[in-house]
Amino acid sequence: EVQLVESGGGLVQSGRSLRLSCTVSGLTFGDRAINWVRQAPGKGLEWVGFIRSKVYGGTTEYNASVKGRFTISRDDSKSIVYLQMNSLQTEDTAVYYCQMYYYDSNNYPRDYWGQGTLVTVSS
Amino acid sequence: SYELTQPPSVSLSPGQTARITCSGDALPKQYAYWYQQKPGQAPVLVMYKDTERPSGIPERFSGSASGTTVTLTISGVQEEDEADYYCQSVDSSATYHVFGTGTKVTVL
Repeated sequence: EVQLVESGGGLVQSGRSLRLSCTVSGLTFGDRAINWVRQAPGKGLEWVGFIRSKVYGGTTEYNASVKGRFTISRDDSKSIVYLQMNSLQTEDTAVYYCQMYYYDSNNYPRDYWGQGTLVTVSS
Repeated sequence: SYELTQPPSVSLSPGQTARITCSGDALPKQYAYWYQQKPGQAPVLVMYKDTERPSGIPERFSGSASGTTVTLTISGVQEEDEADYYCQSVDSSATYHVFGTGTKVTVL
């Protein structure tokens, strides 16, 4: 069974940093891209960014709202993707999800989400 | 930045048909995906590549696309379909992902 588990959320003061982890189990992690998506309390989903697999260079893309402050990285040996969040602002308060989407050998979509981890930024 | 626009809410009775639209300039060139989210839960994929239904999703869910608008249709809506629905796609460069503004479906 494929599972994604986020960790590292919590309460942090504005201007400080926090690192989230997304641990993947149940499949060959290194072949997959991983997205980070967040949801502020009572608000909609917002794409944060993603990291490609090493096959595609392991490069990253970010939403303009976090570019320059957030960094996504991966450790394929541990099957973990990280979201380093610097210079946090109150508007970064949200539940943060990691997501993996791919097509299997039968060309069916496989879409997996973690349970989410809450980040609260206080002023 | 690229945006996908959805109506904020749709209210209907059980058995009626819900049509949720999603508008975006790049939709003629890029696929749309639809997610259902219930309170306190992670989103669930209910439609991919505009019109394809994942396994396990009821047949009452269908998708269509025309020009800059894609539509998720729920035929014969049931109380269990009450949820928030989000479209998702990428910009014209296929680099940046975006979610729609979300539509709350209420089954009265």
